[in-house]
Amino acid sequence: GDSVTQMEGPVTLSEEAFLTINCTYTATGYPSLFWYVQYPGEGLQLLLKATKADDKGSNKGFEATYRKETTSFHLEKGSVQVSDSAVYFCALHGDTGGFKTIFGAGTRLFVKA
Amino acid sequence: NAGVTQTPKFQVLKTGQSMTLQCAQDMNHNSMYWYRQDPGMGLRLIYYSASEGTTDKGEVPNGYNVSRLNKREFSLRLESAAPSQTSVYFCASSGTGTLGRNEKLFFGSGTQLSVL
Repeated sequence: GDSVTQMEGPVTLSEEAFLTINCTYTATGYPSLFWYVQYPGEGLQLLLKATKADDKGSNKGFEATYRKETTSFHLEKGSVQVSDSAVYFCALHGDTGGFKTIFGAGTRLFVKA
Repeated sequence: NAGVTQTPKFQVLKTGQSMTLQCAQDMNHNSMYWYRQDPGMGLRLIYYSASEGTTDKGEVPNGYNVSRLNKREFSLRLESAAPSQTSVYFCASSGTGTLGRNEKLFFGSGTQLSVL
């Protein structure tokens, strides 16, 4: 079945450092890919998405490119801020029907001032 | 905008007790979901309701029941709580009913449940 694998955390960075959180997926067909973010004490909220190969999703300085050849959707940000400290989830929604979004295990990011 | 509202935010149960988690959305969404979040395991789907009047099992349905009371409300019931059900529970909703691949989920703020 479909699955998502993302790098284990926690990831600890200093403010203004470059961020990469790796995400790879297994799915038949052409799924849509998502990054969700969860701030402390809150539910998840959509950060960005991409729906076909080579699409780039972007929001709030974060970017991720849908790479079908490597089945990856890595999250990047050029300069992180303390306010980016959160848990980041990679997810996919398959195109084979059904109502299920599959989530990765989540990666916790700590950004130090 | 309220979005997705879950109650309660925290709950402690003893083994064998029952309880119902409530969820309501005000976005006129057709589909609603219950997930549980456990450390190192991400979110796992318990049950979902594609539309009013329908419910289906997700990945981890054992020990739970659901009711789609109307289009707005989707409740999750634990009939006889077990320590393995200690988790954070999230309700989510999506979409206008087309269930397209672009559907994003809107989440409530979660219920932290401890079963002793």
